[in-house]
Amino acid sequence: AQSVTQLGSHVSVSEGALVLLRCNYSSSVPPYLFWYVQYPNQGLQLLLKYTSAATLVKGINGFEAEFKKSETSFHLTKPSAHMSDAAEYFCASLYSGAGSYQLTFGKGTKLSVIP
Amino acid sequence: DAMVIQNPRYQVTQFGKPVTLSCSQTLNHNVMYWYQQKSSQAPKLLFHYYDKDFNNEADTPDNFQSRRPNTSFCFLDIRSPGLGDAAMYLCATSRTRGQPQHFGDGTRLSIL
Repeated sequence: AQSVTQLGSHVSVSEGALVLLRCNYSSSVPPYLFWYVQYPNQGLQLLLKYTSAATLVKGINGFEAEFKKSETSFHLTKPSAHMSDAAEYFCASLYSGAGSYQLTFGKGTKLSVIP
Repeated sequence: DAMVIQNPRYQVTQFGKPVTLSCSQTLNHNVMYWYQQKSSQAPKLLFHYYDKDFNNEADTPDNFQSRRPNTSFCFLDIRSPGLGDAAMYLCATSRTRGQPQHFGDGTRLSIL
């Protein structure tokens, strides 16, 4: 079974500082990987996706993530945090094989940005 | 803009009174999903439709049903809501299985 682990349920950074949100997946076969952002009382918005092409993936709002097979990681980064980045972030994996297409979410990381 | 629309955004119902949540999409996607998200938790998949083919998750309670009368619309019916069913319900679509999912803004359900 797949699983996704997000280290840190809550991360605080200062405005202008580096944002690093950690995600590790467990799968014998590299899955598709996604980062979603959720603002309060809204649905999930796709930030970026990894689908076995380039290992460094650029997304919206200045975010990017790097797929590292050796570390089974897909950490999300942004060089400089903005107040508007405060939200909850979910990492998710999709293993497209053996008829299984379920998106497996991590438990989420709530990002706070301190002025 | 093509999108996923959920109505209503907020729904209040009484304990045991049936309730229906609505989702529509203009993306013409084949797959529609319903998720339940409780406070500070990840979304949990309840079921999905691939075209007209209904796929129920093994641990989805019988109290939850779904209908998809056409490509654009999908409904979530809760036959006898209990207090534990209070949550945000998210609808999502994808062009086909294995493709990124596009989410609506959700319906927050409260049970009195």
